[in-house]
Amino acid sequence: DQQVKQNSPSLSVQEGRISILNCDYTNSMFDYFLWYKKYPAEGPTFLISISSIKDKNEDGRFTVFLNKSAKHLSLHIVPSQPGDSAVYFCAASAFSSTGFQKLVFGTGTRLLVSP
Amino acid sequence: NAGVTQTPKFQVLKTGQSMTLQCAQDMNHEYMSWYRQDPGMGLRLIHYSVGAGITDQGEVPNGYNVSRSTTEDFPLRLLSAAPSQTSVYFCASSYHGSNTGELFFGEGSRLTVL
Repeated sequence: DQQVKQNSPSLSVQEGRISILNCDYTNSMFDYFLWYKKYPAEGPTFLISISSIKDKNEDGRFTVFLNKSAKHLSLHIVPSQPGDSAVYFCAASAFSSTGFQKLVFGTGTRLLVSP
Repeated sequence: NAGVTQTPKFQVLKTGQSMTLQCAQDMNHEYMSWYRQDPGMGLRLIHYSVGAGITDQGEVPNGYNVSRSTTEDFPLRLLSAAPSQTSVYFCASSYHGSNTGELFFGEGSRLTVL
């Protein structure tokens, strides 16, 4: 049972346009949502996060939107650049008594930004 | 500025062999964890540790052992390798007090079991 789903395996966008990556989740106990970016042969790197008490968080060209009622979040990249071409993972976490928050990852969306 | 360092980067094993994937972090993070990434599956948690001497199982722990004798190191042991353990393994660290659970990942170790 996949708790975090990224239904689009790939997305192609032209440079300068908006990229929208989507993610759905099923567990209402998740309290933080994160996006990671991964280049080939490298580890994932943190991009942006959002708390479940917010509906939007912005960091430069990257904005994450959260719709709790729909259990849906999206990452907007504006404007898209060729260097943004990578695999993007959505992840969700829930507070635990030990303080360690187990991240549950989606399967990833490969973004290709063409010049 | 090393961050999280994993060795080896590549390894080929025969079925039944054992090996240890090494992981070290220099950020003094309390939490460390191991994930595996398989095609179409995303990253799945194998084992994690909340401090020296304390470890616990994640989503897919079978066939793996861990220990945490120091804050810096968190090795992952494959006891008897199986082809199903062919994967890319990522070690990660995080700090207590991070509300988001943000992880800092190593570059990964690609393991092939024949």
